[in-house]
Order: sequence, then structure tokens, then C-alpha cells
Amino acid sequence: LAKTTQPISMDSYEGQEVNITCSHNNIATNDYITWYQQFPSQGPRFIIQGYKTKVKNEVASLFIPADRKSSTLSLPRVSLSDTAVYYCLVGNYGGSQGNLIFGKGTKLSVKP
Amino acid sequence: GAVVSQHPSRVICKSGTSVKIECRSLDFQATTMFWYRQFPKKSLMLMATSNEGSKATYEQGVEKDKFLINHASLTLSTLTVTSAHPEDSSFYICSARDVGNDEKLFFGSGTQLSVL
Repeated sequence: LAKTTQPISMDSYEGQEVNITCSHNNIATNDYITWYQQFPSQGPRFIIQGYKTKVKNEVASLFIPADRKSSTLSLPRVSLSDTAVYYCLVGNYGGSQGNLIFGKGTKLSVKP
Repeated sequence: GAVVSQHPSRVICKSGTSVKIECRSLDFQATTMFWYRQFPKKSLMLMATSNEGSKATYEQGVEKDKFLINHASLTLSTLTVTSAHPEDSSFYICSARDVGNDEKLFFGSGTQLSVL
């Protein structure tokens, strides 16, 4: 399973766009890239998932370059409630062997 | 997104007792569920993969007789911490794979176990 590397922490201010980059140099051909958000004492919440190029939903965008060795989660106009830990995960979900191994995540602190 | 329900959210028990945690996929069927453990300010650690109708697959270092997993239906997996001890105190989280939704993983809200 591909190992991921993210910044340990990031600071931002309300209203700013935040970009969190994750490195996954040994990503496999059939691996997806998924981002989760976790608040203290809660389970991770699914944010976005992609395989290549760009994916966008109502809360975030995910940019994946052609070589897929990294990905960037973009959060537009963050608010205080976006303060959380963000995890980038890479894995192949096919069959019963697919699972996700969590890295250390990025602790995002949004200030007023 | 899909909903995964986990109960109880918090449990306090005496040392030596057993505790059962339930994980349900509410609006989809999950042939595969996963159990994680998380210590304060640490990342999630995968404990085991739960497969409907077959034995669970445990990660290295996880005692299968200590953490019993049952996945008897397509919507329910249970984790039983047997003969719990204070060192088993932790935050336990389950997840379920939604095959019909690009196999995305959705997580339960977690269970905080405190063993006295």
C-alpha cells in the first residue's frame, strides 16, 4: 500500500483558500486517492475521492497531476469550523483486500 | 454520503469484563468493514478487516482472541473486546465500504472505551 506524506500542521485565517498537498510516490495503478476530515472524538468524514485530474464537489476540490505521485486538497474560503485534522489516503479498494492505511494527517487551524 | 452508525458512543467498564461495539451500514450493504483504534492525538491504526460470512483478517500485533469480530450480515459488524483491561482504553472506529458508490469508505462516529 502506498505511503503518504503530508505536512503535520497548517495555519490559515477565515475566508482564505487552503491547499493541503499529499505525496504518494509509490501509488499503484489501481489506487484511488481519498481525503477525510476528522474532528476530536469523532470518526473521519469523507471529503472527496479521485483517481486522476481534477475532482470537485460542494465542499472541496482535489487536484491530481498526471503522474499521480501527489495530490492537493483545496478548501475554498475556510471558516473556524474547518479546524480539524485532514487525512490523505491511498488504496485499492477492490475485493476484500482493499483497505486504507492512515498516515499522520495534517492539523489545520483556522483563526479569526 | 452513506451513513454508518456505531454504538455505543461511549462505554465505561470494569477490568475483566467484555464490551461489544456495533457498526451498522444504514443505507447500503457492506460486505467489508474495517475496525480502527485511535489513541489521543494519534492517527487511526487499522486493527482488522471484517468480511461478511467469513473470518476477519487481523493486522499484525492485534490479538484475535482479544478483539473478536463478527460480520454476520451485510449491514452489521461487531467488535467485542474480551476481558478488557485499562490498556484497552481507546477510541475505536469502524468503517464500511459502499461498493455501489465507487467503493468509498464511510466511517462510524467512534466509541470511546474506558476500562477502570
